[in-house]
Amino acid sequence: KAGVTQTPRYLIKTRGQQVTLSCSPISGHRSVSWYQQTPGQGLQFLFEYFSETQRNKGNFPGRFSGRQFSNSRSEMNVSTLELGDSALYLCASSSGGTRSEQFFGPGTRLTVL
Amino acid sequence: GIQVEQSPPDLILQEGANSTLRCNFSDSVNNLQWFHQNPWGQLINLFYIPSGTKQNGRLSATTVATERYSLLYISSSQTTDSGVYFCAVPTGTASKLTFGTGTRLQVTL
Repeated sequence: KAGVTQTPRYLIKTRGQQVTLSCSPISGHRSVSWYQQTPGQGLQFLFEYFSETQRNKGNFPGRFSGRQFSNSRSEMNVSTLELGDSALYLCASSSGGTRSEQFFGPGTRLTVL
Repeated sequence: GIQVEQSPPDLILQEGANSTLRCNFSDSVNNLQWFHQNPWGQLINLFYIPSGTKQNGRLSATTVATERYSLLYISSSQTTDSGVYFCAVPTGTASKLTFGTGTRLQVTL
């Protein structure tokens, strides 16, 4: 079974631009969650999508948004990029059950100049 | 919200040594995961262990849910074990994980 895939793996953007990251979950998984990892804040939950609906949301500004498609692939969008958005963005895939194990992709490393 | 603390924050071992990493959490949980973050940033699943003890090769983990802690044991460490180890627990739902601050392990020859 293929693992979680994320594209692109690396991105360089400038302040004010917007960016879209993609995550394809493990086949059969319906839940995709997104996390931001920075040296200062550690790993923080952004949001979760399940069956094309946002089911949970973390404490991030509205510039961070996402969506999920009928094939469970998910995209995350960040608008009006700031220097502080430079981070490793990880997505996690699971079946979506109440005690489901999370499996992570390789991440997208975003640098904002 | 739930607090997750890991200790020690940093650990340097010689190859072949054993180590114990600890994860304390502030509230009851119904599952817990241990991850190893490799140098490229990917989180590798080590254990899904809501309670009890599990073993996988040189690694084992024990979670005592009633006392709100989990331990990760690494025996006969190898240089490939280097990296950061995280524990994570769900907050509200299984898909919303709260991570500890991690233990950075360096295994030297």
